[in-house]
Amino acid sequence: NAGVTQTPKFQVLKTGQSMTLQCAQDMNHNSMYWYRQDPGMGLRLIYYSASEGTTDKGEVPNGYNVSRLNKREFSLRLESAAPSQTSVYFCASSQYIDQPQHFGDGTRLSIL
Amino acid sequence: GENVEQHPSTLSVQEGDSAVIKCTYSDSASNYFPWYKQELGKRPQLIIDIRSNVGEKKDQRIAVTLNKTAKHFSLHITETQPEDSAVYFCAASPEAAGNKLTFGGGTRVLVKP
Repeated sequence: NAGVTQTPKFQVLKTGQSMTLQCAQDMNHNSMYWYRQDPGMGLRLIYYSASEGTTDKGEVPNGYNVSRLNKREFSLRLESAAPSQTSVYFCASSQYIDQPQHFGDGTRLSIL
Repeated sequence: GENVEQHPSTLSVQEGDSAVIKCTYSDSASNYFPWYKQELGKRPQLIIDIRSNVGEKKDQRIAVTLNKTAKHFSLHITETQPEDSAVYFCAASPEAAGNKLTFGGGTRVLVKP
């Protein structure tokens, strides 16, 4: 029973490089989310997908793109990484938009 | 937009004492209020939640109370233990935000032995 699986767990990038963070859930959830959490801070929503085939911007979408590949998978792409995007990225999923969210273990991303 | 404010930002309690964290929200149409616990270096995990048609919910040493009129909800932890030390986040699901969760800023709880 994996729940929400994120890959990779750690990554170091150079400024300007691109990268895709992967997220998959095995709970047959309709809604999926991407958050970033900076040290000592709360969770800020980057993008979300209320249901398969839809994506919407959250609080801090600039510099990111997402793809809801299918019901299970929701990826986050950094096209041109910047040091300000150094953070821990969490993917989450829920049955519907106003239901409990289940989080993955996070991806720790450092951009030099 | 919807705002969820959480207080205090840090809370230090003696082992065995109670801890209370309070959150306020602005959208009266919010209908779902979960609480998450995040241990250092780990993912947030749901510990308790409440819907707007219920005023209080308990699960062993933790409880959540909701005051819809005043638009605030609180987390109560009784008989605190060192393993309760973590960051706690509240959230609300405002209708104005499409009912997706909006998180508070978090409370760092330290339980001193």
